[in-house]
Amino acid sequence: ETGVTQSPTHLIKTRGQQVTLRCSSQSGHNTVSWYQQALGQGPQFIFQYYREEENGRGNFPPRFSGLQFPNYSSELNVNALELDDSALYLCASSPPSGSSYEQFFGPGTRLTVL
Amino acid sequence: AQTVTQSQPEMSVQEAETVTLSCTYDTSENNYYLFWYKQPPSRQMILVIRQEAYKQQNATENRFSVNFQKAAKSFSLKISDSQLGDTAMYFCALSAGGTSYGKLTFGQGTILTVHP
Repeated sequence: ETGVTQSPTHLIKTRGQQVTLRCSSQSGHNTVSWYQQALGQGPQFIFQYYREEENGRGNFPPRFSGLQFPNYSSELNVNALELDDSALYLCASSPPSGSSYEQFFGPGTRLTVL
Repeated sequence: AQTVTQSQPEMSVQEAETVTLSCTYDTSENNYYLFWYKQPPSRQMILVIRQEAYKQQNATENRFSVNFQKAAKSFSLKISDSQLGDTAMYFCALSAGGTSYGKLTFGQGTILTVHP
């Protein structure tokens, strides 16, 4: 069984640029959540996708957007990058509802904004 | 809104000894789950243990156990027979029902160092 994978591993961008991060969910999982983890902090919920629709959003501006595809993989897009967007971005997938609310995390993408 | 608080930024323990990490939380939901996740320096987040709020019995997973005090909204993690591989950042997390289904709210984390 393949776990959650993310690409790329590392990324360096400059202020004002746009970035796309990718996530493949674990087999059988239909829900994907994205989190931002600043250095030394706990992850913060960005948003969640279920069956290709956004299903909840945290306190992040609209320049953070996402997509989920029919195979349940997902993208996180960030426009007009700011220095504070530098963080580890974690993707997590979870099995169909009715289970334990558990989420399975990928290794993350380290984004550096210069 | 859900909140999770970990009041111990750093902890250390000698190998083979026992250590307890603290966590308090707040939610208005009746149906929720609590988790302890481990994030080693390699950074992949791994689930350590899970507790369903409706279960009174404390969860255990090998050397890891929790003390779940629902009325006090407290959820501590006890690691017995600590091993060098337990060195990591530990996060307490809450997943509540209702509109917050599937959204994890994390604490600030506790850095645990196991010394030989």
